Amino acid sequence: NAGVTQTPKFQVLKTGQSMTLQCAQDMNHNSMYWYRQDPGMGLRLIYYSASEGTTDKGEVPNGYNVSRLNKREFSLRLESAAPSQTSVYFCASRGTSPINEQYFGPGTRLTVT
Amino acid sequence: GNSVTQMEGPVTLSEEAFLTINCTYTATGYPSLFWYVQYPGEGLQLLLKATKADDKGSNKGFEATYRKETTSFHLEKGSVQVSDSAVYFCALSASSGSARQLTFGSGTQLTVLP
Repeated sequence: NAGVTQTPKFQVLKTGQSMTLQCAQDMNHNSMYWYRQDPGMGLRLIYYSASEGTTDKGEVPNGYNVSRLNKREFSLRLESAAPSQTSVYFCASRGTSPINEQYFGPGTRLTVT
Repeated sequence: GNSVTQMEGPVTLSEEAFLTINCTYTATGYPSLFWYVQYPGEGLQLLLKATKADDKGSNKGFEATYRKETTSFHLEKGSVQVSDSAVYFCALSASSGSARQLTFGSGTQLTVLP
């Protein structure tokens, strides 16, 4: 099993450009999440999807959109990148049991200049 | 809302020293508690978890006990190794809602010197 995979690993964008971060999981998990990690701030939830066909805002959704393409895939889109979106982005997934932990992908390091 | 407060870092220890990283939380209901570890350049990995009061989670020599009376989940290890150098995150999972979002502390950087 690959677990949670993310592409790309690194990306540099200019202000105003758009891009989509891809995430896929092969564990048949219902819930998927997007976080951003900034120095000294831990991980903050951007969007999540409790199940296929649903998405909800997290703590810091502004400037982002998401698509739950199917049960396996959950993408994060930046429509018009800003320097404040320079961060490391992590995707995670979780099974259906209430006490299940989240499994994380390796991350995408995004720099917006 | 839910929140997690973690001991400020960075923490530097010599090999075989005792480790404590403090974690306290604020939450409604009965959250599950987790410690995640992040090695350089990698994603987060679950280190241990506890799902109810007085539960003790343990893994790789690390332990943490869910203390409801003090709303704490401190991470301990009796003898650290150089390979334990990483960033450690305390987190809680909401006790209701289908998605069970995680709320993270700010992370504690641990460096173990030989």
